[in-house]
Amino acid sequence: DTAVSQTPKYLVTQMGNDKSIKCEQNLGHDTMYWYKQDSKKFLKIMFSYNNKELIINETVPNRFSPKSPDKAHLNLHINSLELGDSAVYFCATSTSGGEETQYFGPGTRLLVL
Amino acid sequence: GEDVEQSLFLSVREGDSSVINCTYTDSSSTYLYWYKQEPGAGLQLLTYIFSNMDMKQDQRLTVLLNKKDKHLSLRIADTQTGDSAIYFCAETPHSSGSARQLTFGSGTQLTVLP
Repeated sequence: DTAVSQTPKYLVTQMGNDKSIKCEQNLGHDTMYWYKQDSKKFLKIMFSYNNKELIINETVPNRFSPKSPDKAHLNLHINSLELGDSAVYFCATSTSGGEETQYFGPGTRLLVL
Repeated sequence: GEDVEQSLFLSVREGDSSVINCTYTDSSSTYLYWYKQEPGAGLQLLTYIFSNMDMKQDQRLTVLLNKKDKHLSLRIADTQTGDSAIYFCAETPHSSGSARQLTFGSGTQLTVLP
């Protein structure tokens, strides 16, 4: 069983559309994250979330919003997509306490045309 | 804010050792990580080191931490073609919160030549 899964794997869409990317984990972890990897492979945290707090990277536009229907899922909703949103989006999970190793999903490759 | 830097490229011959270097600025870093990303794939955790350690060895991997110089390195012994990938250094600061956010370096593209 895949520990952290994301759907879709690829997403091609037009500018201005609204889209969602889904993340599911079966590790029982209580904290989930979204990262963005740009075309130069640079990785940057967007959000971290557990049932107690949402931490938002201040550089993330408010068009991006995480939504968690339950502890095993953290979806990323994006409104009014822009060309610069094209990137690979990675979900990750971790436990709280200790080394809090983060386990990453396979990524969703988003292309905005 | 935190900053993590790595050289962008490294080429080695198959069978040689590879050393990938990383520097960071956040003196409150508690855990430092090495992740591997193969083409078209996600990030795979290779190893991590707690900031009160100097060295950690795991099979072909050796991590060295110089906390005074804020320098981290990953040595891969007997490098194989399957080791060709991008290697990311990452750190997480001390935090009393329930979630620690990783700060990644730019990644080092390791190319292993036959």
